[in-house]
Amino acid sequence: DGGITQSPKYLFRKEGQNVTLSCEQNLNHDAMYWYRQDPGQGLRLIYYSQIVNDFQKGDIAEGYSVSREKKESFPLTVTSAQKNPTAFYLCASSTGGRQPQHFGDGTRLSIL
Amino acid sequence: DQQVKQNSPSLSVQEGRISILNCDYTNSMFDYFLWYKKYPAEGPTFLISISSIKDKNEDGRFTVFLNKSAKHLSLHIVPSQPGDSAVYFCAAIKRGSGGGADGLTFGKGTHLIIQP
Repeated sequence: DGGITQSPKYLFRKEGQNVTLSCEQNLNHDAMYWYRQDPGQGLRLIYYSQIVNDFQKGDIAEGYSVSREKKESFPLTVTSAQKNPTAFYLCASSTGGRQPQHFGDGTRLSIL
Repeated sequence: DQQVKQNSPSLSVQEGRISILNCDYTNSMFDYFLWYKKYPAEGPTFLISISSIKDKNEDGRFTVFLNKSAKHLSLHIVPSQPGDSAVYFCAAIKRGSGGGADGLTFGKGTHLIIQP
């Protein structure tokens, strides 16, 4: 089955720690994205990548970092510089153009 | 500053009737619009889209209407079914952006509840 896999589904982090969220897709999509959703809010774009080894900041990139070493993978690191990391994180991919983005089922990050 | 606004946090509709979800936008650079549906603890799934060169797009029970002069779009679901109960997000893409690869701008969502 083609799709996007995010792991883990739930993640807990201690104050001051970095944590990495995994996103893998087998849809052969060039473009990948990370969004953050807070309660009662829409999705906000953190980072996106149109092609391997290239990525751009979205609207709320501060405190986050990404890499795109492989087409299938776009991991997101939430660093200790992110002051309010508790949220629901969604990864998406698309073929680019105006094609719809396909989303994973998300990772819920909580601070201990 | 919210560029895509969904002013109704929730909407309750009787099964079999029409559901109308509304979305307003402020940025005239938006020229492509999408609706996504989201169940709890899952990622959003794409429903339907519309380009600014059109004023209507239909797919089965779902129809999206675009009024560019009013910067307003709406999603109609007819007839509404229990499985339609979900959060619906309106999203937009800017003209001249990398064809969607720059990411979507989302509204806050409307929780649609279909009453039996």
